[in-house]
Amino acid sequence: KAGVTQTPRYLIKTRGQQVTLSCSPISGHRSVSWYQQTPGQGLQFLFEYFSETQRNKGNFPGRFSGRQFSNSRSEMNVSTLELGDSALYLCASSWTGGSGANVLTFGAGSRLTVL
Amino acid sequence: LAKTTQPISMDSYEGQEVNITCSHNNIATNDYITWYQQFPSQGPRFIIQGYKTKVTNEVASLFIPADRKSSTLSLPRVSLSDTAVYYCLVGGANQAGTALIFGKGTTLSVSS
Repeated sequence: KAGVTQTPRYLIKTRGQQVTLSCSPISGHRSVSWYQQTPGQGLQFLFEYFSETQRNKGNFPGRFSGRQFSNSRSEMNVSTLELGDSALYLCASSWTGGSGANVLTFGAGSRLTVL
Repeated sequence: LAKTTQPISMDSYEGQEVNITCSHNNIATNDYITWYQQFPSQGPRFIIQGYKTKVTNEVASLFIPADRKSSTLSLPRVSLSDTAVYYCLVGGANQAGTALIFGKGTTLSVSS
């Protein structure tokens, strides 16, 4: 079973540009969550999508947006990039059926550097 | 969502048992406790999940007392490769719209 795939793995942008990151979840997983990880702030929740609907959003400015497609693949977009947006962006998918709490399966992440 | 508190860091030697305790005083009735492990520049990886008493799998054990206000992740006979950050999360069972919040985690350093 293929894992969570994130593309691109690495990218460099300059301030003011915008970026789109992609996430393909595990087959059958309908929930996709996005996290930003920086050395200073740790892992911070961005948003979560389920069946093409954003169900939860973290405390990030409107420059951060996302969407989910009918095949559960998800994209996140950051517009007007700032230096502080340099981070590892992690996507996680989960299956929301069965007993127990959702277990997240993470991708390898997209390392964004803003110059 | 219940807030969790863990030690910032722990040190150990190879072959020792490591116990990392997580405090979650405001845990709700339908909340489960889940632990993740993260290596540098990788996404976190699921280790173990439990609701009460004790859960054991091939890599760890999870001890949860009756009041469920804390939990302890036990790693038997750690090796250098267990050096990582460990996160404790508390969340509801398949809760619609659950935003699973990671704290700062516990950085475990294993030395030879």
